[in-house]
Amino acid sequence: EAGVTQSPTHLIKTRGQQATLRCSPISGHTSVYWYQQALGLGLQFLLWYDEGEERNRGNFPPRFSGRQFPNYSSELNVNALELEDSALYLCASSLGTSGGYDTQYFGPGTRLTVL
Amino acid sequence: EDKVVQSPLSLVVHEGDTVTLNCSYEVTNFRSLLWYKQEKKAPTFLFMLTSSGIEKKSGRLSSILDKKELSSILNITATQTGDSAIYLCAVEKTYKYIFGTGTRLKVLA
Repeated sequence: EAGVTQSPTHLIKTRGQQATLRCSPISGHTSVYWYQQALGLGLQFLLWYDEGEERNRGNFPPRFSGRQFPNYSSELNVNALELEDSALYLCASSLGTSGGYDTQYFGPGTRLTVL
Repeated sequence: EDKVVQSPLSLVVHEGDTVTLNCSYEVTNFRSLLWYKQEKKAPTFLFMLTSSGIEKKSGRLSSILDKKELSSILNITATQTGDSAIYLCAVEKTYKYIFGTGTRLKVLA
């Protein structure tokens, strides 16, 4: 069974540009979570999507946004990139609200570098 | 404010040693506590703990939750260089996850 996949693996952008990151969840999972992991910091929660809806967002500015498609894949968009947006962006999927106890499974991440 | 604190922040041991990693939490509406191992990029799932006092084991790794003390420990016996990683603890509260900053473990040959 395929795990969570993310693309691209690496992304290099310049300040002010926009970045789009993609995530495909494990088959059967309806929830997708996005996290930012900056160097030396823990996982910071960004966004949670379930059944196509944004259910929760972390303490990030509105230029971080995303969506979930009918096939439960998801996209994270970061507008007006700043240098401090450079980080590893991890996507995780879970059974979501359709299941009981929930466990997240992570993708390999996208390394975003802002120059 | 919900928080998860892990200790120590980092640890260096020699192969064969036993290590104990700690995770304490202050989270409302606690549902479960999870442990992950992060080697390069993707954290890989280790354990999910929901009930106090019940140990979960997988090979040389084991973990137990103490709901009274709001904490959990992860034990690794007979450590190997392949155990070198960041170990993350997370608490799930109704589909929201709060992660600790992790413990960086380095096992020397």
